[in-house]
Amino acid sequence: NAGVTQTPKFRVLKTGQSMTLLCAQDMNHEYMYWYRQDPGMGLRLIHYSVGEGTTAKGEVPDGYNVSRLKKQNFLLGLESAAPSQTSVYFCASNVGNEQFFGPGTRLTVL
Amino acid sequence: RKEVEQDPGPFNVPEGATVAFNCTYSNSASQSFFWYRQDCRKEPKLLMSVYSSGNEDGRFTAQLNRASQYISLLIRDSKLSDSATYLCVGRDTGRRALTFGSGTRLQVQP
Repeated sequence: NAGVTQTPKFRVLKTGQSMTLLCAQDMNHEYMYWYRQDPGMGLRLIHYSVGEGTTAKGEVPDGYNVSRLKKQNFLLGLESAAPSQTSVYFCASNVGNEQFFGPGTRLTVL
Repeated sequence: RKEVEQDPGPFNVPEGATVAFNCTYSNSASQSFFWYRQDCRKEPKLLMSVYSSGNEDGRFTAQLNRASQYISLLIRDSKLSDSATYLCVGRDTGRRALTFGSGTRLQVQP
């Protein structure tokens, strides 16, 4: 099992550009999440999904959209990137008491 | 006020020392609590769950006090490999999403 994988690992964008971050898990988990982590802060929940075809907002959803067309994939989109979205983005999936995290995507918006 | 608060540290301790981290939470919707470990620039990984009865896993002991809304982690006989950031985490029952503290950094020195 690959666990949770994220693509890309690094990306630099200019303000106003768009991009999609891909998260994939091969553990057949229903619940999937997108978090962002900024220096000196804990991870904050952006959006989450409780199953294929469902999505919901977390604590910091503004400027992001998500889709869960397939159970194994959870996509995070930035339609018009802003410097405030410079962060490390972690995807996770859940079973029981444990969340499994992907390795993260480091995004810089200039 | 943050939902989960931790002393950011850093805690600099010699090998073999015992070190304790504390965490307080304010959101009564958080039903379950955990300690996650995060190595520099890596994804968080579950260290242990936290129960009111207390639980121990080798050199690590965790305790939850619901009345005081207080969580602790005790590490005995610190190893160099224990150097990391320790994240105090709450989870609400419905979304199973995690609320993270900002983390406490531990540096174990030879």
